[in-house]
Amino acid sequence: KNQVEQSPQSLIILEGKNCTLQCNYTVSPFSNLRWYKQDTGRGPVSLTIMTFSENTKSNGRYTATLDADTKQSSLHITASQLSDSASYICVVSGGMTGGYNKLIFGAGTRLAVHP
Amino acid sequence: GAVVSQHPSRVICKSGTSVKIECRSLDFQATTMFWYRQFPKQSLMLMATSNEGSKATYEQGVEKDKFLINHASLTLSTLTVTSAHPEDSSFYICSALAGVYISSTDTQYFGPGTRLTVL
Repeated sequence: KNQVEQSPQSLIILEGKNCTLQCNYTVSPFSNLRWYKQDTGRGPVSLTIMTFSENTKSNGRYTATLDADTKQSSLHITASQLSDSASYICVVSGGMTGGYNKLIFGAGTRLAVHP
Repeated sequence: GAVVSQHPSRVICKSGTSVKIECRSLDFQATTMFWYRQFPKQSLMLMATSNEGSKATYEQGVEKDKFLINHASLTLSTLTVTSAHPEDSSFYICSALAGVYISSTDTQYFGPGTRLTVL
């Protein structure tokens, strides 16, 4: 069964601190892995997208890693800001059926950055 | 980056009425759009895939007669919730596909979402 699991479910950190969010997946065949940021009451916004051959990708203070062998990914946030408070969703594209891939969503990690 | 809009952003309606939600790709053409539903503290659940000029493909368990999808142009898809009931209250999000879906570099751009509350 194609699944994406994220941990922790929620996280509270102090402003300026770093944090790392985890994503494990069992999706086959695998096409790519994406991290999205979703503010409350808003649609998701793409942070990074990585294909099988990419190990790391950065977008400002966000750095995503991918280990395709262990089927694990992480999102590292450096020097957190209050505006980083949001849900972070790991999404895997794959499981091709009927000629196209589907996006399989994780449940997300709710991050709260406190001053 | 590419922009996808949704209208309305928030709607409150009485039970039994129908509600139409629009999804527009503002600066690119989208052959394929997707409709998702998100309940509180849960992740997005794909409801249907909308292809311009053809019938939508619904996910298992989604009633096609209740959630009517029309993708009449390359920049507009609409979702109509017919005879809405309180259990249909949710956050509805659309996304538009830029590029070829089976490509490893395809990108979906999400709309801001529509909060539907059925009284």
